[in-house]
Amino acid sequence: GAGVSQSPSNKVTEKGKDVELRCDPISGHTALYWYRQSLGQGLEFLIYFQGNSAPDKSGLPSDRFSAERTGGSVSTLTIQRTQQEDSAVYLCASSFDRGPQNIQYFGAGTRLSVL
Amino acid sequence: SQQGEEDPQALSIQEGENATMNCSYKTSINNLQWYRQNSGRGLVHLILIRSNEREKHSGRLRVTLDTSKKSSSLLITASRAADTASYFCATEQGNNDMRFGAGTRLTVKP
Repeated sequence: GAGVSQSPSNKVTEKGKDVELRCDPISGHTALYWYRQSLGQGLEFLIYFQGNSAPDKSGLPSDRFSAERTGGSVSTLTIQRTQQEDSAVYLCASSFDRGPQNIQYFGAGTRLSVL
Repeated sequence: SQQGEEDPQALSIQEGENATMNCSYKTSINNLQWYRQNSGRGLVHLILIRSNEREKHSGRLRVTLDTSKKSSSLLITASRAADTASYFCATEQGNNDMRFGAGTRLTVKP
């Protein structure tokens, strides 16, 4: 079946604009994660969804960042009033569960450039 | 915040040589995983080692885990140019959070 799909693959925006990034997880995966990866860096955890539970938002860097997951499937990460420091690759991953030994399957990411 | 810290940050070797990457972490873990990332792509899971395991093999990959030193190593034997990628360790902690390190950029020269 299809893997994790993210769109757009690239997004260029002007400082101060809002952007929406989309993630379509693997069908049947109950857990969904968003990460941010700056150039040459590791992954910074942003937010996690598990089924119908309240999301773990502990990694969101500011209140300009929000995410939702509709119907337990597709997720949208929204960044309001973008800043240049928001430029990064935003990666989405999904897994069957967040339980022990969960393996995450990643999308190719959205490369965000804020001018 | 990141949990795992890989070293070296970058490694360049010739095809056929072995590549060893290390990962250190700070808190107790349920398991440790290694992922690979090709340039411009997402991460791909390579291998998982549980906290009660000391060594695991998968093809040309060998992973060790020393919980007393809070460290792990990934060995790639008989490297190939296609192994060129960034390698990340990810630790799954007691509360089931997973945290990734900054990665090791491996270059295998043909």
